[in-house]
Amino acid sequence: GAGVSQSPSNKVTEKGKDVELRCDPISGHTALYWYRQSLGQGLEFLIYFQGNSAPDKSGLPSDRFSAERTGGSVSTLTIQRTQQEDSAVYLCASRPSLHNEQFFGPGTRLTVL
Amino acid sequence: AQSVAQPEDQVNVAEGNPLTVKCTYSVSGNPYLFWYVQYPNRGLQFLLKYITGDNLVKGSYGFEAEFNKSQTSFHLKKPSALVSDSALYFCASSSTGFQKLVFGTGTRLLVSP
Repeated sequence: GAGVSQSPSNKVTEKGKDVELRCDPISGHTALYWYRQSLGQGLEFLIYFQGNSAPDKSGLPSDRFSAERTGGSVSTLTIQRTQQEDSAVYLCASRPSLHNEQFFGPGTRLTVL
Repeated sequence: AQSVAQPEDQVNVAEGNPLTVKCTYSVSGNPYLFWYVQYPNRGLQFLLKYITGDNLVKGSYGFEAEFNKSQTSFHLKKPSALVSDSALYFCASSSTGFQKLVFGTGTRLLVSP
């Protein structure tokens, strides 16, 4: 079946611009996660959605970062007023209920010039 | 707080030889431990997990991991390495098995022909 998909695969933007990254989880998966992978910081958790519960936003690095999940499916990660330190690969993962494994998408590589 | 350490940035092994990629953890309560592999320009792929039960966990592609509570370790092993095993390997923990993953810094495995 189809895996987790993310779009765009690459995004180049100028400092100060806003960007939106999209994640389509595996159908039926109730949990969705965003992570960031960068050379300096490794793999970092950003935000976690589980069903209709309030999301765990504890990993968002600043108030320029936000995410939403519409209809329990597609999620969008928004970064406002991008900075060069936001350059990284943003990974999305989904997980079915009562299972532990997270299934990762291919990521979006964000470059802020 | 939970943390995972991968003490080796890179592991080199000849094809056909056994391989070990090391991981130690620090968690409160029961540990939920995972191994993921990342190939170039790809997302993370799940290899195996330890939740409870047998200390030797078998996973995908012939990999296995040994959970050692007294040494707080969860080393990844394979009896006979393949060149195609060359990739970046991440150890991770989760506080309940369903929450966010906390990753180690990753270990690059290089298998030479």
